[in-house]
Amino acid sequence: EAGVAQSPRYKIIEKRQSVAFWCNPISGHATLYWYQQILGQGPKLLIQFQNNGVVDDSQLPKDRFSAERLKGVDSTLKIQPAKLEDSAVYLCATKGEAAQYFGPGTRLLVL
Amino acid sequence: GENVEQHPSTLSVQEGDSAVIKCTYSDSASNYFPWYKQELGKRPQLIIDIRSNVGEKKDQRIAVTLNKTAKHFSLHITETQPEDSAVYFCAASRSGGSYIPTFGRGTSLIVHP
Repeated sequence: EAGVAQSPRYKIIEKRQSVAFWCNPISGHATLYWYQQILGQGPKLLIQFQNNGVVDDSQLPKDRFSAERLKGVDSTLKIQPAKLEDSAVYLCATKGEAAQYFGPGTRLLVL
Repeated sequence: GENVEQHPSTLSVQEGDSAVIKCTYSDSASNYFPWYKQELGKRPQLIIDIRSNVGEKKDQRIAVTLNKTAKHFSLHITETQPEDSAVYFCAASRSGGSYIPTFGRGTSLIVHP
């Protein structure tokens, strides 16, 4: 089966700019996650969707981060405005019957 | 919420040796424990998982053990090879419902040829 797709793969922006990431899940996977992975740490959940509804966004910094999954398939994660500490890899994952499948991630560098 | 501790943070072994990575969890309701391998610059990939109704699971050179009473689980890699070098993450979750795993901080395994 095709894997989770993400774009862009790399992004460099200056602080206070905005940025958006895109995720296309594995076909048929209703559950979609966005994680932030800071260098040297495990993935930290930002938001979980079930179809187009939010299941958990308790760790999403809502003053600057937003995410949507309007049609229950693709999802976008936006940061506006970005801070230096947002530099990380942003991983999208989807869940089938068993475990999660991760996308390749978007590596964000905020200067 | 769930809290997962993972040790060691770095593990260096000689090719052919065994490697053991240990994790503890706090939520006694957690019943699903996956392990992921993440090579440098690549995505985490599931390598093995275990559910709370079994105490051990093996897949070739990789095995995972679970002690529900003590709330800890371990990854065992035997006959390590240089290509096993990567960061390994454990996770704990309740399966079913809103599956939200909590990840450990990762163990960087280095296998010296």
